[in-house]
Amino acid sequence: DTAVSQTPKYLVTQMGNDKSIKCEQNLGHDTMYWYKQDSKKFLKIMFSYNNKELIINETVPNRFSPKSPDKAHLNLHINSLELGDSAVYFCASSQASGKTYEQYFGPGTRLTVT
Amino acid sequence: AQSVAQPEDQVNVAEGNPLTVKCTYSVSGNPYLFWYVQYPNRGLQFLLKYITGDNLVKGSYGFEAEFNKSQTSFHLKKPSALVSDSALYFCAVRDPGAGGYNKLIFGAGTRLAVHP
Repeated sequence: DTAVSQTPKYLVTQMGNDKSIKCEQNLGHDTMYWYKQDSKKFLKIMFSYNNKELIINETVPNRFSPKSPDKAHLNLHINSLELGDSAVYFCASSQASGKTYEQYFGPGTRLTVT
Repeated sequence: AQSVAQPEDQVNVAEGNPLTVKCTYSVSGNPYLFWYVQYPNRGLQFLLKYITGDNLVKGSYGFEAEFNKSQTSFHLKKPSALVSDSALYFCAVRDPGAGGYNKLIFGAGTRLAVHP
């Protein structure tokens, strides 16, 4: 009964390709996030959705497009992949109402662009 | 701007000894602070948080953290380290300027190595 799951776990692709990463949470949370962890393990938020509405959109190239079909799912589509997109991408979720604040993370998707 | 600093890239400690992983923060208003742990090839796991109340917060796996407002610190501690505690530890602070939403700003991480 995984709380936050991501697919695929590993993704190897060539420059210029388009790829998607999917995330699902079964915690009943109303808010989901995408984070990027670079090779130095630095973790930075990219996007957040609350009840399918985009609420946080950091300075991310517009080649990255998140989509939330419902509050349990948040997908990340990346167009025209570049070498610098190689990283581990984490999905997370939290509950905005109730003010618990902590976020729960998925296992990550390691993206390698060659 | 809100920020979190973890001044040590790595902390080495012998098994059975107490451990401390340091974190300092800079945030406007009352800080909401968190510690997460990341084991190799895994996602981040929530350990504990400080929102309000007692300055000593207890969390998972025997970890605790002490909130010190005057020193703007939130150090992670454990009385007796285990080899299995070896991992990457992240301190995070909630960004109060994120329109009321739950945006976390993470420190750079501290690698904890516990030696037998």
